[in-house]
Amino acid sequence: GAVVSQHPSRVICKSGTSVKIECRSLDFQATTMFWYRQFPKKSLMLMATSNEGSKATYEQGVEKDKFLINHASLTLSTLTVTSAHPEDSSFYICSARLGRSGSYEQYFGPGTRLTVT
Amino acid sequence: AQTVTQSQPEMSVQEAETVTLSCTYDTSESDYYLFWYKQPPSRQMILVIRQEAYKQQNATENRFSVNFQKAAKSFSLKISDSQLGDAAMYFCAYRSASGGGADGLTFGKGTHLIIQP
Repeated sequence: GAVVSQHPSRVICKSGTSVKIECRSLDFQATTMFWYRQFPKKSLMLMATSNEGSKATYEQGVEKDKFLINHASLTLSTLTVTSAHPEDSSFYICSARLGRSGSYEQYFGPGTRLTVT
Repeated sequence: AQTVTQSQPEMSVQEAETVTLSCTYDTSESDYYLFWYKQPPSRQMILVIRQEAYKQQNATENRFSVNFQKAAKSFSLKISDSQLGDAAMYFCAYRSASGGGADGLTFGKGTHLIIQP
């Protein structure tokens, strides 16, 4: 089956610093990747959609200058949380899809827990 | 915008019994996909079952089946012969079939399923 990895699985950073989270599709080429955020005991909220070679599409209310997304290759997307603050602490999950059509399945990574102190 | 509502924050069922999780959604689209995902304590999102809106037949996957009522915008999940390993958070999710790349998943708030041995 399709495998998606995320790195790191956990990260602690100080307020004001930036942190990068990687999402990789290990055995397929992901034309489209999605980034979600999940607060404790809450649902997943879509943050942005990134298509390989294009700028990411951000959901309403998500600051694109704060959450920088890069999808430079068909197997790698990165989410950089810039100037992190304690309120950015959350669980970040990526998913990857083979094609651009909605008929293709999404495969989820295991998530990254970010703690900003 | 689409919304997904799960009205049961928590459900409990005896092992080997049957349980039904409720989900309703709101959309103006005619073509879309509906999903049930399972999130165990590991936080890894696992696809349980998927339904295409254009299909009248309810999807089934072994012990898992759905009752899809398109007119009522209802999409419930039935788990038969519940097992201890079924204990998890269950999320109902919606995805547009319009494509174009900007079609991530919209999730409900989740139902915490407890299996009583």
